[in-house]
Amino acid sequence: SQTIHQWPATLVQPVGSPLSLECTVEGTSNPNLYWYRQAAGRGLQLLFYSVGIGQISSEVPQNLSASRPQDRQFILSSKKLLLSDSGFYLCAWSVPLLANYGYTFGSGTRLTVV
Amino acid sequence: GENVEQHPSTLSVQEGDSAVIKCTYSDSASNYFPWYKQELGKGPQLIIDIRSNVGEKKDQRIAVTLNKTAKHFSLHITETQPEDSAVYFCAASKAGSARQLTFGSGTQLTVLP
Repeated sequence: SQTIHQWPATLVQPVGSPLSLECTVEGTSNPNLYWYRQAAGRGLQLLFYSVGIGQISSEVPQNLSASRPQDRQFILSSKKLLLSDSGFYLCAWSVPLLANYGYTFGSGTRLTVV
Repeated sequence: GENVEQHPSTLSVQEGDSAVIKCTYSDSASNYFPWYKQELGKGPQLIIDIRSNVGEKKDQRIAVTLNKTAKHFSLHITETQPEDSAVYFCAASKAGSARQLTFGSGTQLTVLP
């Protein structure tokens, strides 16, 4: 069966420090991968999605970047965190090109920038 | 692109009552409509979905209805329980889109004991 792993679960980082969040998927090949951010009490904001290794689409220009170095690995990074980067970060995967198939989300990373 | 609107943003019901959350979508080509439940501090979990060739789907206390003509779909929860308290998201997608799901803004459901 397919599983998605996301870590760390919580993170407290000072303003100006770098960030690296990692997401891996098991039990499937060539998944579509997604990074979402959720501010407190708000909806799901799509940050990046990827349909293959090295292929990244950005939805919102900001202080963050994403990379997909391996088929089932998706990394969210920042060189210098801002206070506004605080939030709940969610990774998700889906089956590519298959009609009518939803996402499976990871358990999320709670990032607090201080 | 697709736009999904969700109402209400907050909903409080008494335990045992029914809850209804409504969503509208803009792209008539959308043909898949999942609903997600997000408990506090966790990732959203798929609870039910419906495809455009079906008007209604039910799973125990949860049901979803779809009106393609009006481009709206709804989540119905009957006999609500305190553990139903969570944020619920609707979404819409169409085949062939890498971006796939477009989410609504979420509904905070509180079931009062």
